[in-house]
Amino acid sequence: RKEVEQDPGPFNVPEGATVAFNCTYSNSASQSFFWYRQDCRKEPKLLMSVYSSGNEDGRFTAQLNRASQYISLLIRDSKLSDSATYLCVVNANAGNMLTFGGGTRLMVKP
Amino acid sequence: NAGVMQNPRHLVRRRGQEARLRCSPMKGHSHVYWYRQLPEEGLKFMVYLQKENIIDESGMPKERFSAEFPKEGPSILRIQQVVRGDSAAYFCASSPLAPEQFFGPGTRLTVL
Repeated sequence: RKEVEQDPGPFNVPEGATVAFNCTYSNSASQSFFWYRQDCRKEPKLLMSVYSSGNEDGRFTAQLNRASQYISLLIRDSKLSDSATYLCVVNANAGNMLTFGGGTRLMVKP
Repeated sequence: NAGVMQNPRHLVRRRGQEARLRCSPMKGHSHVYWYRQLPEEGLKFMVYLQKENIIDESGMPKERFSAEFPKEGPSILRIQQVVRGDSAAYFCASSPLAPEQFFGPGTRLTVL
């Protein structure tokens, strides 16, 4: 079993749609959780950290369920520029390595 | 504040040659991580370094790969006697010991 599992997609959605991605992780000792975004042939860029209380940044909302070891990302009002691969990432401790999911590919179409 | 810098951005080597990849962390960051992304795969951790120390090299292949982060200068990932399977994107990330890590643009290594 992979340490961080994601549906690879692709998710093909029209502009303006709401789309949700899910992720599960296997290490119950994981302490920090993130969503990164990676454009084709570019580096991963931090989209947002994920907290137990849930957090929102504009059109993006992230949720964490520690009991179920489950992380989600919701994107509202999708834009063409949201097309990318979204990486679910966990970290056992600050200063430790990041463990990446395989990514979920999103394609937003006009 | 400049971000994480990596060079070269593209590197072509023939089988058996050596590859040297360099990474300069963000100002104020003393923690450097190297990750490898094989074609069509996710990022995999290789090594975690602080100045003059290797903290965790559990992701490094046992042979041909080495890394350093000297007191002065960039971190170096060195691959000796490269093989075709080493062709990948190599990303460096830095952190100030906060959980978040910030990535450089990567070095794309092609082995002919």
